[in-house]
Amino acid sequence: AQKITQTQPGMFVQEKEAVTLDCTYDTSDPSYGLFWYKQPSSGEMIFLIYQGSYDQQNATEGRYSLNFQKARKSANLVISASQLGDSAMYFCAMRVDNFNKFYFGSGTKLNVKP
Amino acid sequence: ETGVTQTPRHLVMGMTNKKSLKCEQHLGHNAMYWYKQSAKKPLELMFVYSLEERVENNSVPSRFSPECPNSSHLFLHLHTLQPEDSALYLCASSQDFRAAGGETQYFGPGTRLLVL
Repeated sequence: AQKITQTQPGMFVQEKEAVTLDCTYDTSDPSYGLFWYKQPSSGEMIFLIYQGSYDQQNATEGRYSLNFQKARKSANLVISASQLGDSAMYFCAMRVDNFNKFYFGSGTKLNVKP
Repeated sequence: ETGVTQTPRHLVMGMTNKKSLKCEQHLGHNAMYWYKQSAKKPLELMFVYSLEERVENNSVPSRFSPECPNSSHLFLHLHTLQPEDSALYLCASSQDFRAAGGETQYFGPGTRLLVL
C-alpha cells in the first residue's frame, strides 16, 4: 500500500531563515514521483517541486529544494530564506508512475514570523 | 482565463437542497479529478475522469454525482448532503490519466461547502 506521512502539523520559522518540512513515504513500487504543493488560505494547491525515484540528484527550484533520501524513504522540503508569503499549508504527495493517482500527506502549516 | 477555475467559490446549503459544483480547465488536459479536503485530513480522491470517461470512483456515497460532458468541464452534483460533507472540494486536471515523471496535476481554487 502507498502511504505518505507528514509528522509536523505546524511549524514556525523566522523570516529569512531556512526551514525543513518532513515527509516520509512508503511504497513497494520502484518507479514513483514525489511532489510538494503549497496551499495558501485561498485554497488553491500550487505545485512547487518534483523528485523522481530514479533521480540521482536532489531537485531544486529557486528557494525550494528537496532532500531525497531513498534508503530512508524520506523527501523533505527545504525552503531557504523564508518570506512572509511562504506562510501556508504544505503537502507532500506521491504518485506511482503510470497511474495518475496521488497520495497526499496530512500537511504541515508553516507560519513565517517577521 | 487560464488554468483551472471552479464555481462557486463558497456554497452554503441545507441537507435537502440540490446544488452543483462546476470545474473548467483551460489547459487542454485529458484527465480531471474531484478531491475532498476536510479539516486535518489528507486530501481524498473522489472521482477521476479520463477523456470524459469515469475511470475511478473511490467508494463515494451516491449523494455525490459527477458529470463530465467534455474534457474541459467537470461537475459535481450534490443531493441530500450531510453536515459531515462540509469541506473544501478541489478540482484538478492533468495531461493524461496515466503519467510518469514530473507531470503534475493542476488544481483549481476549490469550493468551500458548508452543509447546515
